[in-house]
Amino acid sequence: DTGVSQDPRHKITKRGQNVTFRCDPISEHNRLYWYRQTLGQGPEFLTYFQNEAQLEKSRLLSDRFSAERPKGSFSTLEIQRTEQGDSAMYLCASSRVGVGAFFGQGTRLTVV
Amino acid sequence: ILNVEQSPQSLHVQEGDSTNFTCSFPSSNFYALHWYRWETAKSPEALFVMTLNGDEKKKGRISATLNTKEGYSYLYIKGSQPEDSATYLCASLKGSTLGRLYFGRGTQLTVWP
Repeated sequence: DTGVSQDPRHKITKRGQNVTFRCDPISEHNRLYWYRQTLGQGPEFLTYFQNEAQLEKSRLLSDRFSAERPKGSFSTLEIQRTEQGDSAMYLCASSRVGVGAFFGQGTRLTVV
Repeated sequence: ILNVEQSPQSLHVQEGDSTNFTCSFPSSNFYALHWYRWETAKSPEALFVMTLNGDEKKKGRISATLNTKEGYSYLYIKGSQPEDSATYLCASLKGSTLGRLYFGRGTQLTVWP
């Protein structure tokens, strides 16, 4: 499978715990995005990488969120001290110039 | 923040009806407009990438038009089928933030048999 893959697909965690999600983009795509979707909303931008450089991070994010793409390939999104409001679908997408973004199937996070 | 608006928010049609929905976006510094189809429990699927004013693209029964001067795009579905039921998302790319997609909230289409 050469699409965007995300792991895990589902995560249930207790409030206050840390969680980490992984995204493996399409190999020739140098751009990688993280979005979050809550019920009834369109995807909300979280952060964007071009190669290993994190070019933009949403001001909506608190310091509890951090993302990395250390070698310009896979990326991780970590949420520290999770809160119930963090419950959402976390989507990763990748693209290259002239091509629309391809999305992974997302990680569904539930904070209890 | 780049405001991308979609209307209507939801739409219910009968099988065989043709339908259309709107995506509006700021026309300044426009680079590209993307349409995606998002079925429940699946990841969003790219339908079209449009860049030129007056552009019109077609994929089977689905087509889209683009007006970059006034900042809108229409998505048309001819002869809707139940399998067309999905959320249709549009996303705009600005030239100044190349690569970042700004999404609308989507139009949720339900086609009744």
